[in-house]
Amino acid sequence: DVKVTQSSRYLVKRTGEKVFLECVQDMDHENMFWYRQDPGLGLRLIYFSYDVKMKEKGDIPEGYSVSREKKERFSLILESASTNQTSMYLCASTTYRGNIYSNQPQHFGDGTRLSIL
Amino acid sequence: DAKTTQPTSMDCAEGRAANLPCNHSTISGNEYVYWYRQIHSQGPQYIIHGLKNNETNEMASLIITEDRKSSTLILPHATLRDTAVYYCIVPPYNQGGKLIFGQGTELSVKP
Repeated sequence: DVKVTQSSRYLVKRTGEKVFLECVQDMDHENMFWYRQDPGLGLRLIYFSYDVKMKEKGDIPEGYSVSREKKERFSLILESASTNQTSMYLCASTTYRGNIYSNQPQHFGDGTRLSIL
Repeated sequence: DAKTTQPTSMDCAEGRAANLPCNHSTISGNEYVYWYRQIHSQGPQYIIHGLKNNETNEMASLIITEDRKSSTLILPHATLRDTAVYYCIVPPYNQGGKLIFGQGTELSVKP
């Protein structure tokens, strides 16, 4: 079974802090994704990555950056945390299969519920 | 992007089949239909996906109409643990597999 592991289930940080959310997958997947989930807004894509050191902006990248130094690890960085970044953050991965569009399903971690005070 | 429409909520009796409908009338020929579910406080879980033909796996069956404008997810013998929000998604072609989650259907399985 695919395993996507997010480093923390719950995290509390203060406004202005730099926050790192870590995600690791064990299936040698090429594609990795970061989403946030808010009530009434559903899941929204923040960033994704097709390969090591590659990244693409999603729908709501402002205030975030990402790092993909190793294939199995995809980090989301809140450069200067703000209260409107309080949310559930979800990481996902999928395989590439030689096509930009992959018809393979995404597998999700259990999420990190982040509170910014 | 192919938009999907699902009922907001549904109830199902434990042990009965749960049939969850989805409309995706603007789907294009090379776009797949995916189903995920999300149990409270967990990440979304992949269930099944298909292009044209009906599909079945250990979790569910997916019935896609011939014109591909709608589909139905079938949980053959619903249990209390199937209570969740179910999402029908048609990922845009050539956008890196990006998923767009709508509001989904909140399925309540009752004893």
